[in-house]
Amino acid sequence: EAGVAQSPRYKIIEKRQSVAFWCNPISGHATLYWYQQILGQGPKLLIQFQNNGVVDDSQLPKDRFSAERLKGVDSTLKIQPAKLEDSAVYLCASSLGGGETQYFGPGTRLLVL
Amino acid sequence: GQSLEQPSEVTAVEGAIVQINCTYQTSGFYGLSWYQQHDGGAPTFLSYNALDGLEETGRFSSFLSRSDSYGYLLLQELQMKDSASYFCACQNTGGFKTIFGAGTRLFVKA
Repeated sequence: EAGVAQSPRYKIIEKRQSVAFWCNPISGHATLYWYQQILGQGPKLLIQFQNNGVVDDSQLPKDRFSAERLKGVDSTLKIQPAKLEDSAVYLCASSLGGGETQYFGPGTRLLVL
Repeated sequence: GQSLEQPSEVTAVEGAIVQINCTYQTSGFYGLSWYQQHDGGAPTFLSYNALDGLEETGRFSSFLSRSDSYGYLLLQELQMKDSASYFCACQNTGGFKTIFGAGTRLFVKA
């Protein structure tokens, strides 16, 4: 069974530029999560989708971050414009439903200069 | 809101047993999960508790006390490869929103 796929693996941009990350969850997993993990901290949930509907986006900085999950499968997370403090690893995870067991992708390491 | 507390660092010797504690505050608690993350890697699922008691999976066990809002991860027969960060994470009943703790860094010494 293929795992959660993410791309790109690394991205370096300058502040005020835009960037997009892509995630393809495990086949059949209804729930998809985007997390931001700053070095030395735990993953912080940005947005959670159930199929193609948003379950929670309370910690998503909506003035600059957006995410979509068209057709309830893969998802994109966009930052526009980026700030220095957005430098982090962006993790995508998926689960069958309840979220007690989440499978994480390898993450995208973003560096904003 | 939701919050979890766990020790920032734990050190143990190879072959020993170590316990990593986690206390949580949340409304509508549903369950507690544990994840392992090696440096540069992604979190991987270890164990889950929704009910009080002990869940055993090989060398790893996890315990939950809902009345005390407390859980722990027990690692037995420690190996050098167990050196990693360990996160507790809780889900609530409102859409199973997940909140992670800040993580406990485990150092295993020879």
